[in-house]
Amino acid sequence: DTGVSQDPRHKITKRGQNVTFRCDPISEHNRLYWYRQTLGQGPEFLTYFQNEAQLEKSRLLSDRFSAERPKGSFSTLEIQRTEQGDSAMYLCASSWTSGYQETQYFGPGTRLLVL
Amino acid sequence: QKEVEQNSGPLSVPEGAIASLNCTYSDRGSQSFFWYRQYSGKSPELIMSIYSNGDKEDGRFTAQLNKASQYVSLLIRDSQPSDSATYLCAVIQGAQKLVFGQGTRLTINP
Repeated sequence: DTGVSQDPRHKITKRGQNVTFRCDPISEHNRLYWYRQTLGQGPEFLTYFQNEAQLEKSRLLSDRFSAERPKGSFSTLEIQRTEQGDSAMYLCASSWTSGYQETQYFGPGTRLLVL
Repeated sequence: QKEVEQNSGPLSVPEGAIASLNCTYSDRGSQSFFWYRQYSGKSPELIMSIYSNGDKEDGRFTAQLNKASQYVSLLIRDSQPSDSATYLCAVIQGAQKLVFGQGTRLTINP
């Protein structure tokens, strides 16, 4: 399977704990995106990388959130001091840019539950 | 006004009929439009992309774009029970990020 992969698929944690999620994009893709989706809503953009550079961060990404993409390969999203409002599905997507037509492909997501 | 608006449904369609899903967007400068399908508990799966005014057909699916009216639609012909899912309309905003509607829940009744 050469699609986008995410790990873990599910995470249950207690409020105040730190969690880290990993995303492995499709190998030839140079862009990697993180989105968050809550029940009944569409995904919301959090941040994206082009190669190893983080080029945009949403206002949703508070200072408790940090994302990295070392060497332009996999990416990690860390949430520090989790809150119950962080409970959501965290989605990673990747794409290859060639001109203005770009298609993002999503991984299976990491479902986070903060107790 | 939301940036991308969809009727949340549920939309119920009999098997074999045409399902019509609609979406409007607010940014007149948008150039790239997508329809994703999402089964319950799963991640979004790309169905169609469309960039030019008019229709684009792929199998049972047809995407329609009218930039003057800021309107995108998805038609599903010969609807099957396996088409029952939430359909997400998405628009590229700025240079890169997808902005999604809240999705329309579609149920195909056998």
